[in-house]
Amino acid sequence: QSVLTQPPSVSGAPGQRVTISCTGTSSNIGAGYDVHWYQHLPGTAPKLLIYANTYRPSEVPDRFSGSKSGTSASLAITGLQAEDEADYYCQSYDGRLSGSVFGGGTRLTVL
Amino acid sequence: QVQLEQSGAEVKKPGSSVKVSCKASGGTFNRYAITWVRQAPGQGLEWMGGIIPISDTPRYAQKFQGRVTITADDSTATAYMELSSLRSEDTAVYYCARGGVSGSHLGWFDPWGQGILVTVSA
Repeated sequence: QSVLTQPPSVSGAPGQRVTISCTGTSSNIGAGYDVHWYQHLPGTAPKLLIYANTYRPSEVPDRFSGSKSGTSASLAITGLQAEDEADYYCQSYDGRLSGSVFGGGTRLTVL
Repeated sequence: QVQLEQSGAEVKKPGSSVKVSCKASGGTFNRYAITWVRQAPGQGLEWMGGIIPISDTPRYAQKFQGRVTITADDSTATAYMELSSLRSEDTAVYYCARGGVSGSHLGWFDPWGQGILVTVSA
């Protein structure tokens, strides 16, 4: 049972837009701690996609964007491509647990 | 550009311990947290703990308290994670990653090491 809740799976056709939600509580996202997003392909190391809720590393395409409101955050991917098929994780800090926490992960399938 | 190089795969017996390493190169080592994250087969990412080498005070996830020890050697820019009393459920890929905020355990993780497969089997 992950501290942050993500949908197990989402899917979309090439070119479409999908969103992945990440729901927390008043001790993590709701306490004001930032949310970060990672893309994880099998057999590789996770890759940072979005940091501090909305910022994108320079090498990440602008098709990826993040937002945060209240106790939740979202990752949006526009113009879906086959190469986007991967697992996506949100991460934040939990003040009650005094440590980082991850969501359970969401598998994106490009139809 | 910081890079993290992890040690090789390990096979361990139940009840034993494993110590894996993570060597940083190409950037500042001692002011940024080195974090350990694992992924068991079919499971998600799980934060185990981290250390800011310059402060030398590690933090551990409650789940691993008493079983995990994270240390750092500033002279070699290497962090270590030792997990004891291994059981089959500890079979996982173990990643190290650098924290994104200087002097803080808060923040994102980037870059990541390549991962180490630790197999616990009799």
